[in-house]
Amino acid sequence: AQSVTQPDIHITVSEGASLELRCNYSYGATPYLFWYVQSPGQGLQLLLKYFSGDTLVQGIKGFEAEFKRSQSSFNLRKPSVHWSDAAEYFCAVGGPQAAGNKLTFGGGTRVLVKP
Amino acid sequence: DAMVIQNPRYQVTQFGKPVTLSCSQTLNHNVMYWYQQKSSQAPKLLFHYYDKDFNNEADTPDNFQSRRPNTSFCFLDIRSPGLGDAAMYLCATSSGTGFGEQYFGPGTRLTVT
Repeated sequence: AQSVTQPDIHITVSEGASLELRCNYSYGATPYLFWYVQSPGQGLQLLLKYFSGDTLVQGIKGFEAEFKRSQSSFNLRKPSVHWSDAAEYFCAVGGPQAAGNKLTFGGGTRVLVKP
Repeated sequence: DAMVIQNPRYQVTQFGKPVTLSCSQTLNHNVMYWYQQKSSQAPKLLFHYYDKDFNNEADTPDNFQSRRPNTSFCFLDIRSPGLGDAAMYLCATSSGTGFGEQYFGPGTRLTVT
């Protein structure tokens, strides 16, 4: 069965500092990996996705993520955090065998940004 | 812009009083999903439609029903809301033919009094 683990429930980072959010997945075939961001009271917005090819993918809002098959990880990074990046971040996995394009979500990481 | 729209954004209902939440999409996607999200938790899939085919998750209570009258619209019906059904309800869509990315609406916050 597929699963996603986000080990950090909360992360606090100073504005301007770098950010890295961890994501580990378990999937029996080629994974399709996603990062979503959710601001308070809002829906989820797709930040970036990985299907194949270059293992470093660029997304919106200055985010990037690196796929490491050997570590079953897909960590999200941003070099310099802005106050508006305070939100909840969800990693998700799907794949060609996922009927109906269903995704499995991690538990989320809440990011707090200090001035 | 193509998008997923949910109405209303906030809904208050009484314990046991049926309520319907609405979702529409301009993406012309084949798949529409309904998720329940409680505070500080990941979204929990309730069910999804692939075109007209309804797919219920095994642990979705019978109290939750859905209708998809056409490609653009999908409704979530809660027949007898309990206090435990207070949550954010998210609608999402997916093309069904691509790599599975889902596009979410802004959600409806349901309060049960």
